[in-house]
Amino acid sequence: EDQVTQSPEALRLQEGESSSLNCSYTVSGLRGLFWYRQDPGKGPEFLFTLYSAGEEKEKERLKATLTKKESFLHITAPKPEDSATYLCAVQTINDYKLSFGAGTTVTVRA
Amino acid sequence: NAGVTQNPKFQVLKTGQSMTLQCAQDMNHNSMYWYRQDPGMGLRLIYYSASEGTTDKGEVPNGYNVSRLNKREFSLRLESAAPSQTSVYFCASSDDREVTEAFFGQGTRLTVV
Repeated sequence: EDQVTQSPEALRLQEGESSSLNCSYTVSGLRGLFWYRQDPGKGPEFLFTLYSAGEEKEKERLKATLTKKESFLHITAPKPEDSATYLCAVQTINDYKLSFGAGTTVTVRA
Repeated sequence: NAGVTQNPKFQVLKTGQSMTLQCAQDMNHNSMYWYRQDPGMGLRLIYYSASEGTTDKGEVPNGYNVSRLNKREFSLRLESAAPSQTSVYFCASSDDREVTEAFFGQGTRLTVV
């Protein structure tokens, strides 16, 4: 059975304090790994897609990396507006549905 | 573009009542999904539809039915609501011709009392 585990559950950062979020996955065959951002009361918003081990993607203060067993979302010098829940999801070669992790809630204090 | 539109945004039901959650997308996507989101449990797939006319069960289908009315619309029905179905429901769609992201609606917050 496909499994996606995110850690930590919550992360409190001071503005400018860089950190990383982890997403470990166990799937029969990975088609793609996705990172989403979710603000309170809203639907998830797409950030990145990673397809193969060694791949990296960047957007502003966020950088996502992928290995064969896990993905990291690095937040560099975060700002309060980076506060959100970050969700990881995998899509397998067997079908097109997305399996999500429980998310990491990031709070950045000014 | 509107993207994925869900209705209603909020709903309160009494135990045993029925209702249908509506979802429509205007991106010409083949695949559509219904998820529920509960605190600490992330998004769990209820049902999905890989194409018009097909539906498949996801992780938590019990107590729900779906209809893929046409390529644009995918509805979720609760026949006899239970307090355990209190949740936030999200509809999503994606283009399955390639590995690409799913787009989500704004969610329906359902409370069953």
